[in-house]
Amino acid sequence: KNQVEQSPQSLIILEGKNCTLQCNYTVSPFSNLRWYKQDTGRGPVSLTIMTFSENTKSNGRYTATLDADTKQSSLHITASQLSDSASYICVVSDRGSTLGRLYFGRGTQLTVWP
Amino acid sequence: EADIYQTPRYLVIGTGKKITLECSQTMGHDKMYWYQQDPGMELHLIHYSYGVNSTEKGDLSSESTVSRIRTEHFPLTLESARPSHTSQYLCASSDRQGEDNQPQHFGDGTRLSIL
Repeated sequence: KNQVEQSPQSLIILEGKNCTLQCNYTVSPFSNLRWYKQDTGRGPVSLTIMTFSENTKSNGRYTATLDADTKQSSLHITASQLSDSASYICVVSDRGSTLGRLYFGRGTQLTVWP
Repeated sequence: EADIYQTPRYLVIGTGKKITLECSQTMGHDKMYWYQQDPGMELHLIHYSYGVNSTEKGDLSSESTVSRIRTEHFPLTLESARPSHTSQYLCASSDRQGEDNQPQHFGDGTRLSIL
């Protein structure tokens, strides 16, 4: 069964600290892996998209890594800010259809305290 | 910033009413999607479209219908709302160029409550 599992479910850190969010997937065949940030009451916003051949991609203070062999990804946030408080969603796309079916994780709820 | 808009943002309405949730995008994207999201849960695809006059059902069984008469407009309709339809509905679009490696751009959602 194709699944995307994220951990931890929730995380609280102090402003300025770093953190790493995890994503494990069983989706096959694999096309790409995406990380989205969803602020409360807003729609998700794309942070990174990585294909099979990419093992790291950065977007400002966000760095995503991908290990396609172990089917794991992480999102590292550097020098956290209050505005980083949000849900971070891992999404994996397969190559099984022309749509490129997307499998969504349930997200990690990050709270950054001052 | 993506230009995709959903209205209304919030809707509280009684059981049995007909509801239309509006979604419009100004990016000229061919692909559009409707998702349902409950708190703490993953997004579930309920409808999608590849372009004008193309609509398909997604994974989640839904009593809603959609239409795609214009590229920029993808409304979702519930003929008779029920309390089980209470949820957040997110609309998204993506560019067909580059196909599956294109990010989806999401609207801010409609939070629907059926009394």
